[in-house]
Amino acid sequence: DAGVIQSPRHEVTEMGQEVTLRCKPISGHNSLFWYRQTMMRGLELLIYFNNNVPIDDSGMPEDRFSAKMPNASFSTLKIQPSEPRDSAVYFCASPLPSTGELFFGEGSRLTVL
Amino acid sequence: AQSVAQPEDQVNVAEGNPLTVKCTYSVSGNPYLFWYVQYPNRGLQFLLKYITGDNLVKGSYGFEAEFNKSQTSFHLKKPSALVSDSALYFCAVRSNDYKLSFGAGTTVTVRA
Repeated sequence: DAGVIQSPRHEVTEMGQEVTLRCKPISGHNSLFWYRQTMMRGLELLIYFNNNVPIDDSGMPEDRFSAKMPNASFSTLKIQPSEPRDSAVYFCASPLPSTGELFFGEGSRLTVL
Repeated sequence: AQSVAQPEDQVNVAEGNPLTVKCTYSVSGNPYLFWYVQYPNRGLQFLLKYITGDNLVKGSYGFEAEFNKSQTSFHLKKPSALVSDSALYFCAVRSNDYKLSFGAGTTVTVRA
């Protein structure tokens, strides 16, 4: 298995632009997490999907952030409009169903100028 | 509510010396405990977990961790550290629900 796949790995954009981050979880993992990592706040859980349904989005910073999981093999995290304070590394992770052990993607490093 | 504390921001050891990274947790119910490692510009990688059973858990790259229920601790250890062990280490806990709570991370530097 190729593991959790994220794209793009790096994105540089200007304030006000729309940003879309993509994730393909491990096949057979029926849940998916989006995390954000910054130096100041560490790892923050943004949203959790189970069986493609958003279960907990309490970590989504504000309405500018949205996430979807249209099927078991694909999820997107969208920021519109983006702001410089959104600059961070965004991780997608899918858990092993039996233990909850998380498998992380390599992350998408977002820089908003 | 559940939480994890990693009391040390940084741990510095010489190569060949023992390495310990501390973690304490707070959770309602039985804890599921995890250690992850993050190398620069990479995602987090699973090292080991405690679910049930033996208190001493062995994981990847020669790491082990000891679950201590009375002290609510799950310290990560390696008998002989390598320079290549230099990385950021995260402890994490979950209970019976889905949410995994991560500590703030401990930066380990192993000097040659």
